[in-house]
Amino acid sequence: QKEVEQDPGPLSVPEGAIVSLNCTYSNSAFQYFMWYRQYSRKGPELLMYTYSSGNKEDGRFTAQVDKSSKYISLFIRDSQPSDSATYLCAMSGGGGTASKLTFGTGTRLQVTL
Amino acid sequence: DAGITQSPRHKVTETGTPVTLRCHQTENHRYMYWYRQDPGHGLRLIHYSYGVKDTDKGEVSDGYSVSRSKTEDFLLTLESATSSQTSVYFCAISEGMDGYTFGSGTRLTVV
Repeated sequence: QKEVEQDPGPLSVPEGAIVSLNCTYSNSAFQYFMWYRQYSRKGPELLMYTYSSGNKEDGRFTAQVDKSSKYISLFIRDSQPSDSATYLCAMSGGGGTASKLTFGTGTRLQVTL
Repeated sequence: DAGITQSPRHKVTETGTPVTLRCHQTENHRYMYWYRQDPGHGLRLIHYSYGVKDTDKGEVSDGYSVSRSKTEDFLLTLESATSSQTSVYFCAISEGMDGYTFGSGTRLTVV
């Protein structure tokens, strides 16, 4: 079993829909949780960063972490065609050399007109 | 990507030949990482560095070596390329727990 599980999709939604992307994990030492967005043939770019449990909002994006369930989510409101990309969750146990991130396999999102 | 560049962007090489990929940063970040990205596997850590001449193995390090003689450069070498090393390789940098900045990737094909 992988340390981080993520549904690969693809997920196809109409423009304006609310999108929910999720990851589950097994390592209870993870404390830092991130979401990256990757456009085709580009490197991943950091989208959201959360420490420990709770919610964080940035514009149309909301990240949620539930450490008791080992479950994290990314919500995209009013989705746009420009949101079409692969979304990768990533997590880490702490600082120093432990700052290595473990990634999910990514969920491919397609927002259609 | 600002502050981090990878070279070459594309490479085709023959089985059994050595290959070196270069990652160069201008951010003076302490940590540098090499990942490979493959369908169904996502990003997997090959090697990482936490300072000049300080490197360690990741989860898929067999067949790869790295060197970091300067803060700004992190080299990944495939000692004798095999077809299973056909992949997209990403370099990333970070400073503590502020998240990674990734390069644009190197698309490597081993024939």
